[in-house]
Amino acid sequence: GEDVEQSLFLSVREGDSSVINCTYTDSSSTYLYWYKQEPGAGLQLLTYIFSNMDMKQDQRLTVLLNKKDKHLSLRIADTQTGDSAIYFCAESISNAGNMLTFGGGTRLMVKP
Amino acid sequence: SAVISQKPSRDICQRGTSLTIQCQVDSQVTMMFWYRQQPGQSLTLIATANQGSEATYESGFVIDKFPISRPNLTFSTLTVSNMSPEDSSIYLCSVDGLAFQETQYFGPGTRLLVL
Repeated sequence: GEDVEQSLFLSVREGDSSVINCTYTDSSSTYLYWYKQEPGAGLQLLTYIFSNMDMKQDQRLTVLLNKKDKHLSLRIADTQTGDSAIYFCAESISNAGNMLTFGGGTRLMVKP
Repeated sequence: SAVISQKPSRDICQRGTSLTIQCQVDSQVTMMFWYRQQPGQSLTLIATANQGSEATYESGFVIDKFPISRPNLTFSTLTVSNMSPEDSSIYLCSVDGLAFQETQYFGPGTRLLVL
């Protein structure tokens, strides 16, 4: 079965870069996603990457995918206090009807 | 992306009662899903809401406890039946992207507390 794992917590200083890591086990993943959940809010889709890509950049966000190691990371450049949230990685599998499997979430705390 | 609303946004309920949560999308979507997020936990898929047929439930979830309706391509309901304190969670609906169906967008969630 599929399993997605993330570290629980990350603390950075404002202006530094944040790197949130995720590992997954199902090699048939087609898309991998990063969602952001602010306190008391729903999930916001930040970005996604197709499994045949190595990297995707979108403004301050850079997603790196190492398919061999089944490792996904999200780098946030120039982290701001408004980036404080829980970040979830998720994978979808082509033969599972777009069902998403989520990691446990990484709580990012940005200190001024 | 689609605009998704949920009602109610939050509720406090007594054990043994049932609550129906509504999910409304501003455009027709193919896939609608219901997730549960227990306190401090990640999201777990409850079921896929199929339009015009019975929902497809994930392991550990059954129709008697979580009946789902999907009468059309923009609306779905999830009922949490015979509630217990263990049902206290955030319930979220999600829909697939319109132009790019491999993405999923989430509603704001319904926060449920069962006393």
